[in-house]
Amino acid sequence: KAGVTQTPRYLIKTRGQQVTLSCSPISGHRSVSWYQQTPGQGLQFLFEYFSETQRNKGNFPGRFSGRQFSNSRSEMNVSTLELGDSALYLCASSPQGDNSPLHFGNGTRLTVT
Amino acid sequence: GNSVTQMEGPVTLSEEAFLTINCTYTATGYPSLFWYVQYPGEGLQLLLKATKADDKGSNKGFEATYRKETTSFHLEKGSVQVSDSAVYFCALSDNAGNMLTFGGGTRLMVKP
Repeated sequence: KAGVTQTPRYLIKTRGQQVTLSCSPISGHRSVSWYQQTPGQGLQFLFEYFSETQRNKGNFPGRFSGRQFSNSRSEMNVSTLELGDSALYLCASSPQGDNSPLHFGNGTRLTVT
Repeated sequence: GNSVTQMEGPVTLSEEAFLTINCTYTATGYPSLFWYVQYPGEGLQLLLKATKADDKGSNKGFEATYRKETTSFHLEKGSVQVSDSAVYFCALSDNAGNMLTFGGGTRLMVKP
């Protein structure tokens, strides 16, 4: 069974631009979560989607958004990029409901210059 | 709100030494508790979990016991190997979806 796939693996963007990151969950998994990992703030929850609906949202500004498609694939978008958005963005999928173990992808490393 | 505090690293041990990484939490109700491990250049992998008080999670020689009275979930291993070198994260879920609150991570370095 293929794991969680995140594309691209690396991205370099300029301040003010926008970026879209993609995540393909494990086949059959309906929940997709996104996390931001930085040396200073650690791992922070961005949002979770379940069956195309946002179920939970973390404490991030509205520049961060996401969506989930009917095949459970998910995208997150960051608009008007700031230097502080440089981070490793991790996607995780799980089969369904609460407290299912999360399966993480290897992440997308975003660098904003 | 929820929070997880774990000991800062790095923790440096010799092979076959005993490992303890402390983790304490603050949460309302009865959260589920997890340990995840991150190897260089990779995402996180679930190491073990416990969903109620006094549960012991175990995997690959690692174990942790859910202690509600001390709000702790310390990770232990009797004999570490070089291959255990990684960053370890303690996390909790308050059972409302799959939103995890993570501790800051503890880097473990095991020397041969």
